[in-house]
Amino acid sequence: DAKTTQPPSMDCAEGRAANLPCNHSTISGNEYVYWYRQIHSQGPQYIIHGLKNNETNEMASLIITEDRKSSTLILPHATLRDTAVYYCIVRAASGGGKLIFGQGTELSVKP
Amino acid sequence: GAGVSQTPSNKVTEKGKYVELRCDPISGHTALYWYRQSLGQGPEFLIYFQGTGAADDSGLPNDRFFAVRPEGSVSTLKIQRTERGDSAVYLCASSLEPSGANVLTFGAGSRLTVL
Repeated sequence: DAKTTQPPSMDCAEGRAANLPCNHSTISGNEYVYWYRQIHSQGPQYIIHGLKNNETNEMASLIITEDRKSSTLILPHATLRDTAVYYCIVRAASGGGKLIFGQGTELSVKP
Repeated sequence: GAGVSQTPSNKVTEKGKYVELRCDPISGHTALYWYRQSLGQGPEFLIYFQGTGAADDSGLPNDRFFAVRPEGSVSTLKIQRTERGDSAVYLCASSLEPSGANVLTFGAGSRLTVL
């Protein structure tokens, strides 16, 4: 599975958009980009995933560059409850589909 | 059930004891995954099951760790001769199938403390 690089921490003001970057320059054509988050003392929570196209759901938007070497998770209107560690993971389409977590980005949403 | 259920939520044991942690996946999910998370670290993959069989156990740290899923539903992670370094949160996840297109849903975890 391709490795990802994320900033260790970020701050965001409440009500503003949070844009979390992720580099995955060695991603291959059949690998998905997944985002999970983990709020303190809880299990990881699925946010969104994509293969090539940009994706949007009720939680967030995922923007994947055309060369697929990087992506951005966008939380359009961050709230205090969005404070968490956010993990960007590149996941193989086959072979079990296990998620390999890195260190993630610790997002702090401040009032 | 509606989500992945893990029991116990907390377990305190003494060094050298045997421990079992249980995972009840979402009904109908054929793939089940175990992870371990130490303080300040991301979850670390241990093993995954497709049905009753362990399809990838490459993350198990040593032979003191073993997991079973005899009927293709509930799974038990077993740790023999526990050591203080085994203290961590043990997470279980399930998905419809073991494919990159299927989302993994995680449970809340079992926190193991070895004294």
